[in-house]
Amino acid sequence: QVQLQQSGAELMKPGASVKISCKATGYTFSSYWIEWVKQRPGHGLEWIGEILPGSGSTNYNEKFKGKATFTADTSSNTAYMQLSSLTSEDSAVYYCAKETAYYFDYWGQGTTLTVSS
Amino acid sequence: DIKMTQSPSSMYASLGERVTITCKASQDIKSYLSWYQQKPWKSPKTLIYYATSLADGVPSRFSGSGSGQDYSLTISSLESDDTATYYCLQHGESPLTFGAGTKLELK
Repeated sequence: QVQLQQSGAELMKPGASVKISCKATGYTFSSYWIEWVKQRPGHGLEWIGEILPGSGSTNYNEKFKGKATFTADTSSNTAYMQLSSLTSEDSAVYYCAKETAYYFDYWGQGTTLTVSS
Repeated sequence: DIKMTQSPSSMYASLGERVTITCKASQDIKSYLSWYQQKPWKSPKTLIYYATSLADGVPSRFSGSGSGQDYSLTISSLESDDTATYYCLQHGESPLTFGAGTKLELK
């Protein structure tokens, strides 16, 4: 069965960087886009962007260019999102999701990022 | 960016009641519209894709309709397990955009 297992909660200081992982099982990892979504209380869901692991192709929401960087390791079936120059505005729950035929069919459990000095 | 206007933002409904949530896109999204259910402290769950198709394992009391700019999610007979926040997502044009959500509670 398809599963997306994300890395655990992170507590980071302002100005630091963090790398969140999303390990996929149960399907051909290289063939499907992995999506990244941000959720903050009162701000709903925001699409950060996506990566196609097999080719490394990426698409970013303009709002997150320079903030988020996606990579993927097909040998371990793991996608990564690095967030840089962290501020309190980056405190949120981050989800990865598998995309298929223009919708997200499976979601990770979410990774909570807290940015605080 | 395509703006998704979702309504209502919150609502109360009774068990067995028919519930409808709507999303209006700022332009034609050609049915590239999906619906998700999210319960507190949980990740979203896929309900509907391509506007009208029911995702695997989703109860048949959920249905989607619409085309062009206007879409809706209907629960034919509300059950207690349906209390959650519901989001629409347009996949017609990048950047993908979500509706602001509808919080559904029991009356």
